Parts: sequence; C-alpha cells; structure tokens
Amino acid sequence: DVKVTQSSRYLVKRTGEKVFLECVQDMDHENMFWYRQDPGLGLRLIYFSYDVKMKEKGDIPEGYSVSREKKERFSLILESASTNQTSMYLCASSLMHNEQFFGPGTRLTVL
Amino acid sequence: AQSVTQLGSHVSVSEGALVLLRCNYSSSVPPYLFWYVQYPNQGLQLLLKYTSAATLVKGINGFEAEFKKSETSFHLTKPSAHMSDAAEYFCAVSVGGSQGNLIFGKGTKLSVKP
Repeated sequence: DVKVTQSSRYLVKRTGEKVFLECVQDMDHENMFWYRQDPGLGLRLIYFSYDVKMKEKGDIPEGYSVSREKKERFSLILESASTNQTSMYLCASSLMHNEQFFGPGTRLTVL
Repeated sequence: AQSVTQLGSHVSVSEGALVLLRCNYSSSVPPYLFWYVQYPNQGLQLLLKYTSAATLVKGINGFEAEFKKSETSFHLTKPSAHMSDAAEYFCAVSVGGSQGNLIFGKGTKLSVKP
C-alpha cells in the first residue's frame, strides 16, 4: 500500500513565523501535491512537483513556497505565517495520471 | 478547461436508504474520474475510479458509480446507507497529461440518520 505521511497532524504557530510542513511518500511516485482545504471551498492546489527540484504553481501559490530535494519528500513553506493561512493542509502523491494518494493532513492554526 | 460540479453540499439520508451523490464534469479530453471519501480529521481515501474501461465502476464499502458520457455525469450510489458512511465525498476529474493533476469538486457532506 502507498503510504503518504505528514510531519504533524496539528500545528499552532504565531503570525510572522516561518512554518515548514513536510510530506514523505514511500512508493517512488513522480508527482507530489500540496493542497489546502477550507470549509465550502473544497481542495485548492497550492503547488505541485513532477520531479526532483521541479515545481509548478497551482491555483493559490501566494504566500507559500515548496522544496523537493529528494523524490520522496515534498516540503511546503510558509515564509511568514498569517492568520488567513489557518487551514487544513493535505499532501498527495501520484504516478502519472493515476489516482492521488493522500496523507492524513496537517491542521495548522496561526494565531 | 476541466471542471467538476457536485450538486448539494449536504445530503441527509436515513440508515438503510439509497445514497445518491451527484457529480457532473466538463472535460475537453476523455476523462479519468474519481470519487474520494474523507472522514473527520483525516486525509482523502479513494473510493473508486473510472479510467475508460467499464462504465459501471464498483468501489470499496459497497459504493459504485456510473459514467454517462451523454450526461457528463459520474454519480455515486450505494443501495443501503450505514451510519459509518457519514463523511464528506469529493468527485474529481483528471486534467490529462502525465502530471496527474486533478480538479476537485467542492464536496458533499453525507449525514446518515438512525
């Protein structure tokens, strides 16, 4: 079974802090994704990566950056956290156009 | 451009009743379609997928969905709801290409009454 793990289930940070969310997958998938999920808005794509050191902006990249130094790891970075970034963050990985496999999510609260 | 519309942000059924969650899509290429389920405070789990084989797709937990090209629909059904089916359900369409991007609907929250 594909396993996608995220570094934290719950995280509380203060406004202005730099925040790192880590995601690791164990099935050698090329593609990895970061989404945020908010009530009534569904899943919105922040960034994705289709190869090591490659990244592409999704629909809402502002305020975020990403890093993919190794194939299995995809990090989401909030350079200076703000209260409007309080959300559920979901990581996923996939092999070409097959289904995406999701991690358990990180619920981030920015105070 | 691809898009997904889920009709009804909340659906409530009684235990034992039919579950019908609606999904319509638009796609300029033959679509790959997916249904995911999300239980509270968890990630998304794949229920089933359509990848241009049989139009009636069976998934986990007794769910199935039928691809109807003429109606651009991919509705999710289950003959008899269980309390454990209470969750949020997302329909998604592949945007094509090798990068595996999906477009998700806004989700339908299913409640099951005893």
